[in-house]
Amino acid sequence: GENVEQHPSTLSVQEGDSAVIKCTYSDSASNYFPWYKQELGKRPQLIIDIRSNVGEKKDQRIAVTLNKTAKHFSLHITETQPEDSAVYFCAASMGGGGNKLTFGTGTQLKVEL
Amino acid sequence: DTEVTQTPKHLVMGMTNKKSLKCEQHMGHRAMYWYKQKAKKPPELMFVYSYEKLSINESVPSRFSPECPNSSLLNLHLHALQPEDSALYLCASSQQDRGAEKLFFGSGTQLSVL
Repeated sequence: GENVEQHPSTLSVQEGDSAVIKCTYSDSASNYFPWYKQELGKRPQLIIDIRSNVGEKKDQRIAVTLNKTAKHFSLHITETQPEDSAVYFCAASMGGGGNKLTFGTGTQLKVEL
Repeated sequence: DTEVTQTPKHLVMGMTNKKSLKCEQHMGHRAMYWYKQKAKKPPELMFVYSYEKLSINESVPSRFSPECPNSSLLNLHLHALQPEDSALYLCASSQQDRGAEKLFFGSGTQLSVL
């Protein structure tokens, strides 16, 4: 089955700096890669996703890149703000509803003033 | 309505109790999921229902029994749980179509087994 590794497990940045979180996956059949943000005591919320036919996707301060050959994908957050502090999970699946979404182990991001 | 609603929000139960967790969505989604999440860990898939039929069971112990009465409702029946089953139980739903598989999570039920 799919295995998703995520690094780092914790990340502390100063407000305004950039943050990068990296994931690798094992199953070359995976073609859908979402990122979830989970604040303490709240539900995971999708912040951005990318499919294997796209190398990069951007939404305001958030971007995701995918290297299908190397089976790597990364989340980039620019101009970080205190409200970006949360746990971020990457995930991978074969796409389509009803399929298993395998999550990475999570990154605790802390944005310091 | 873009919400997945879960009840109860909190549940404390003894090891001999029987309880049920409930989940509801009115987005017309035909895939519904149960995930278990321990503190500081990622969500772990338990069950997937696709068009009201159980399509994935991730080798979950039989003390957890899912049920999908209709396309909007998903239940998780709990019986003879163990303290290690204490966790946040998340329901989610999605469309079935490729390209529309975004998962919408409910707020979860925080379960404590004494």
